[in-house]
Amino acid sequence: EPEVTQTPSHQVTQMGQEVILRCVPISNHLYFYWYRQILGQKVEFLVSFYNNEISEKSEIFDDQFSVERPDGSNFTLKIRSTKLEDSAMYFCASINGRGLNEQYFGPGTRLTVT
Amino acid sequence: QKEVEQNSGPLSVPEGAIASLNCTYSDRGSQSFFWYRQYSGKSPELIMSIYSNGDKEDGRFTAQLNKASQYVSLLIRDSQPSDSATYLCAVPSTNFGNEKLTFGTGTRLTIIP
Repeated sequence: EPEVTQTPSHQVTQMGQEVILRCVPISNHLYFYWYRQILGQKVEFLVSFYNNEISEKSEIFDDQFSVERPDGSNFTLKIRSTKLEDSAMYFCASINGRGLNEQYFGPGTRLTVT
Repeated sequence: QKEVEQNSGPLSVPEGAIASLNCTYSDRGSQSFFWYRQYSGKSPELIMSIYSNGDKEDGRFTAQLNKASQYVSLLIRDSQPSDSATYLCAVPSTNFGNEKLTFGTGTRLTIIP
């Protein structure tokens, strides 16, 4: 069964450093999402992406964040200058966009900023 | 601002009993609803989707939707220890094709052997 994959599973970085989180959505899906979950808190929407551009972004998704689909399979989230409060689980999700809107999540990347 | 409310629990249920999880939502225009299961340290796993008023059954799980009351619930029959997890209610935005999910805080369920 197709699934969303994410790498790395855990990333430790120092404050101020850039990180890139990678996702491979399900191959025939058209809409891609990043969500974040700070430990003990709810899952929060960050950004949605369709047809090589951002569809919508939340207030969390400020100028420090960017997304890219550099090729036909990868979908990346970049944080330019990490802050302590960026420490969280980051989940990638996708939907096929052809009527069925069930979102499937990847396993997540745990980002720890020290 | 779309809101999704859940009782955070914890909810403890004896093994073999029925666990009942509830969720209310604020946007009357919402058309579809999802239940995700999340084990500690893992990602949300889709277990049920429901689009129409009434009940939808899938194995031991039954989702119930009442759009008039803006209420959706999940019943787990014959609860097993492996059902111990946090259950997240999620409602997509009403913009077709850009259906970002708004999640509730989740209900932590513990099945007692």
